Formats: sequence, structure tokens, C-alpha cells
Amino acid sequence: GDSVTQMEGPVTLSEEAFLTINCTYTATGYPSLFWYVQYPGEGLQLLLKATKADDKGSNKGFEATYRKETTSFHLEKGSVQVSDSAVYFCALMANQAGTALIFGKGTTLSVSS
Amino acid sequence: EAGVTQSPTHLIKTRGQQATLRCSPISGHTSVYWYQQALGLGLQFLLWYDEGEERNRGNFPPRFSGRQFPNYSSELNVNALELEDSALYLCASSFGGSGTDTQYFGPGTRLTVL
Repeated sequence: GDSVTQMEGPVTLSEEAFLTINCTYTATGYPSLFWYVQYPGEGLQLLLKATKADDKGSNKGFEATYRKETTSFHLEKGSVQVSDSAVYFCALMANQAGTALIFGKGTTLSVSS
Repeated sequence: EAGVTQSPTHLIKTRGQQATLRCSPISGHTSVYWYQQALGLGLQFLLWYDEGEERNRGNFPPRFSGRQFPNYSSELNVNALELEDSALYLCASSFGGSGTDTQYFGPGTRLTVL
């Protein structure tokens, strides 16, 4: 079945460092791909999405490109801030009726000043 | 625009009791999804409602049930609570009934079973 694999955390960075969180997926067809972020004690917030190959999603300095050839959707940010500390979830949704989001296990990011 | 809202924020129950969780979707959204985020198990899909009907269900026992009201709000009921039901329950909503639209999440209800 469909699945999402994220790099294990936690990821610990200093402020202004470059961030990459790896995400790969297994799916039939052409799923939509998402990154959600969960701040401490809160629900999930949609960070960015891409619905077809080579699409680049971007938001708040984060970006990710849908790479069908490598079945990847890696999250990047050029300069992280302390306020980016959170858990990041990669997810996919098969483009057919009746499907739900399938999430990776989440990657905890901790940024120190 | 108001986001997805959930109530209560926290809920404490004992084994064997029933829990009822509520969710109001974003205005204009007709689909509501429920997910469970249990420690060590990640985020798992529970139920999907659209236009008042249950459209899909995850791999959970029948004691997890719910409904969707005419105003598209939804209720999740968990009967005969077990300790392992302790989790954050997240509700999400989306436009339409195709099941492929972007889902927007609420803040969650933290259920603790003692």
C-alpha cells in the first residue's frame, strides 16, 4: 500500500542554518504531496503542497519540489529561526475518491539561538 | 475566516466510559475527517464524512463511530474506552466530496483514559 518515509529526528540546528528534511513516498499513480507542521500543543497546519510532478510548493521560506523520478518531496529552508521549532509531517493523498492522508512519522526540529 | 474548531480541548475519562468529541468545519467545507495521533503510532485515519454520510473508515474497531449533522459539523464517539485510546484526536475539513481536496486541521482534542 501507499506509504511515506521521513528522516528520523530530532534535527537540531542553530539559528540561520540550512534545513533539509527528507521525505520519500511509495504510491501508485500520481498522489498529491503535503508538508504539515505541528507546533507544541497545537494541531496540524498546512505548510505547503504540490499536486503534480515538478511542482514546487513554498510558504514562509520553506519549499519542496515534487520529484517523481526519485519519489521524493524533501523540505528545505535556507535560514531557520527559533520559531521554526516544531514537528514536521510529510503526507500524501492518492488522487482518487475515498482516500485519506497518509502521514510519515514526523520529524522534530529544534532550533537554538 | 474561522478555521476548524474542536471541543473540548481536553477530555478525561475512565476505562469503559464513552467519549464524545465535536468538530466544526471551515465555512463552505462539506467534508470532515477524523484522525488519531497516539504516542508511538503516528497519525492514523479514522473516519471521513461528507454530506451527512460516512464515506470511508480506517482500520479501527466499530466502537469508534460518528456522524455528520446537516450544518456539516461532526461528532466522534468512542465507546467502551480503553487505555490505548488515549491520544490527540484531530479533525480536518475540506471542500467537496471527492476526497482529494486539501485538508485543514483543527487544534485537536486531547483524550486521556484512566
